[in-house]
Amino acid sequence: DADVTQTPRNRITKTGKRIMLECSQTKGHDRMYWYRQDPGLGLQLIYYSFDVKDINKGEISDGYSVSRQAQAKFSLSLESAIPNQTALYFCATSDPRNRELFFGEGSRLTVL
Amino acid sequence: GQQVMQIPQYQHVQEGEDFTTYCNSSTTLSNIQWYKQRPGGHPVFLIQLVKSGEVKKQKRLTFQFGEAKKNSSLHITATQTTDVGTYFCAGGKYNFNKFYFGSGTKLNVKP
Repeated sequence: DADVTQTPRNRITKTGKRIMLECSQTKGHDRMYWYRQDPGLGLQLIYYSFDVKDINKGEISDGYSVSRQAQAKFSLSLESAIPNQTALYFCATSDPRNRELFFGEGSRLTVL
Repeated sequence: GQQVMQIPQYQHVQEGEDFTTYCNSSTTLSNIQWYKQRPGGHPVFLIQLVKSGEVKKQKRLTFQFGEAKKNSSLHITATQTTDVGTYFCAGGKYNFNKFYFGSGTKLNVKP
């Protein structure tokens, strides 16, 4: 089983709909991240959380919100999806001792 | 704007040729990490460099961190088809708490 699990893996939705992407991890890490990947732009940080009570904005947080429901769960929401939010979204965790990022398999979102 | 610049965007090589990708930051980095993403996959950690001028090797891969801690490179000797994928650098700032990814270099290896 994957250490970092994302659901759904693929989602097609319409403009204006609310979407939630969920992430759960079994690595026991406190630090969790949401990244967005667009072709030619690498990975851009949306939000990150260093523990259950800690939420921080990343480079591109506008139009997104997050919830850290437990140490193991970190969800990303698009309150009103728009077409330019079509992208591949990755959740990641890290161990503060070595700072290596462990990525989930990704959630591909298409907004029509 | 892009915090960490990475070049080239694409590289096509014949199997057996060498490959290098470069990352540059306008500000000093606390550390740099390198990741590989296979087609259709997710980024997988390769290595982390922390010290000024550090050089690390993993078989055919050589990683360098510049003396000023503003640039880094990944060099692959004698590429193989298994090296195909996109290589990303990620520069750490603010006492390692935030990582800024480069745009990636997509490597294609022709057999």
